[in-house]
Amino acid sequence: EVQLVESGGGLVQPGRSLRLSCEVSGFDFDDKAMHWVRQAPGKGLEWVSGISWNSGRIGYEDSVKGRFTISRDNAKNTLFLQMNSLRPEDTALYYCAKDHSSFWSDSNNFLDHWGQGTLVTVSS
Amino acid sequence: QSALTQPASVSGSPGQTITISCTGSDSDVGGYAYVSWYQQYPGKAPKLIIYDGFNRPSGVSNRFSGSKSGNTASLTISHLQAEDEADYYCSSYTISRRVFGTGTKVTVL
Repeated sequence: EVQLVESGGGLVQPGRSLRLSCEVSGFDFDDKAMHWVRQAPGKGLEWVSGISWNSGRIGYEDSVKGRFTISRDNAKNTLFLQMNSLRPEDTALYYCAKDHSSFWSDSNNFLDHWGQGTLVTVSS
Repeated sequence: QSALTQPASVSGSPGQTITISCTGSDSDVGGYAYVSWYQQYPGKAPKLIIYDGFNRPSGVSNRFSGSKSGNTASLTISHLQAEDEADYYCSSYTISRRVFGTGTKVTVL
């Protein structure tokens, strides 16, 4: 059974940092691309970042470029999102999602499994 | 960066057929055949229900079907049931990123 478990969310002041983790099991993590997708309270889904199986290809949504860094540790089956210079508009439930493909930027990829999310609240 | 455009809400009675549209541009929906659709219940994670435009993962009801014409993709739910009441999102690849639709709330009357 595929499982994705996010952690690391919490309440943080604007300008501070937070690191999210996503531990996975039930599939060959080192063969699949991974994504972070967020959902602000009462709002829709927003893609945040994607990383290919070997970290060779990485992409970010424009509003987080230069502030967020996605990474992965294939030996530990864990995906990360380092979030710096946090803003109130970054407040959201952050989901970790598995791609069916090895490369996040393939035009035919899709997110076939999702975690339950970890809540990040940016407020003073 | 613009999200794909979906109607905010669609409703129907049990047994009816409804269609949700997802409109993009030549850079996303129109340029790539591979639109995916996700179903989300309140307080739950999204679930993949359509991939590659019209394929269903194992276990997803065949009452869900997908199609595309030009820059608009569509999700059709036939024989609408109470359990179909949820939010639905389309998604497409575009240059250097993924994009989701604005989301559609389906209400079963």
